[in-house]
Amino acid sequence: DTGVSQDPRHKITKRGQNVTFRCDPISEHNRLYWYRQTLGQGPEFLTYFQNEAQLEKSRLLSDRFSAERPKGSFSTLEIQRTEQGDSAMYLCASSSTGTPYPNEQFFGPGTRLTVL
Amino acid sequence: AQSVSQHNHHVILSEAASLELGCNYSYGGTVNLFWYVQYPGQHLQLLLKYFSGDPLVKGIKGFEAEFIKSKFSFNLRKPSVQWSDTAEYFCAVNSKDNFNKFYFGSGTKLNVKP
Repeated sequence: DTGVSQDPRHKITKRGQNVTFRCDPISEHNRLYWYRQTLGQGPEFLTYFQNEAQLEKSRLLSDRFSAERPKGSFSTLEIQRTEQGDSAMYLCASSSTGTPYPNEQFFGPGTRLTVL
Repeated sequence: AQSVSQHNHHVILSEAASLELGCNYSYGGTVNLFWYVQYPGQHLQLLLKYFSGDPLVKGIKGFEAEFIKSKFSFNLRKPSVQWSDTAEYFCAVNSKDNFNKFYFGSGTKLNVKP
C-alpha cells in the first residue's frame, strides 16, 4: 500500500528564501489537499485540487504561497520570501470520489519547515 | 465559519482506565465527523468517522464515538486504554455542503502510563 508521500520531510531555510515542497497522493485519488499545522494546533486547511484544478484556497494562503498540480498527480507547494511565521508542518492529504466515503482524507507524513 | 473545540489539551491515564475525549463543533448545517490519531513519529490516521445513521460509531482499536446532534458533540471513548494508545487525537468536521474542507480541533495529547 503506497500511501501519501511528501518530500522533503524536513526543511531548514533562512528568512527570505524560497522553498518548494512536493506531495505524491495515493495513485487513484483525484483530490489533493494542503494543510498547515503549527505547534499546539490542529491542521488548518490551505487549499485543495480536484485533478489539476485548484478549487478552493484559504485566506491563510497569502500571495507568497502558490500550489500547483500540473498533471493531476503530484502537487507542489511553494513559499516565496519565507518568514519566520511560516515555520510549521505542511501536510498533504488525498481522497477519491470513487469510494463509498469520498471525503475520507488520507494524510502524508508532512514536511516540517523551519525558517531561521 | 465552522470551528471545532477540544477542551482537553493533555490527558494522563493509567492503563485500563476509561477514556473520554470531548469534541464540540459549531456549524448549523449537516456535518460529517471524524477522529484522527497521530502516534509519536507517525502521520495522521483515521480512527473513526460518522456520516449518517447510527450515532454510535465504532472505530479501530476498540475506540468508539457518539454523535449527539443536540449538543453538537462527537466525544471519543474507549473503555480500557493501553500504553499503545499514547498519541495525539484530533477531532475534525466537514459539512455536507463543502466536504472538501476539513476543520480540525487543536488536539488532545493522551499519555497512558504503563
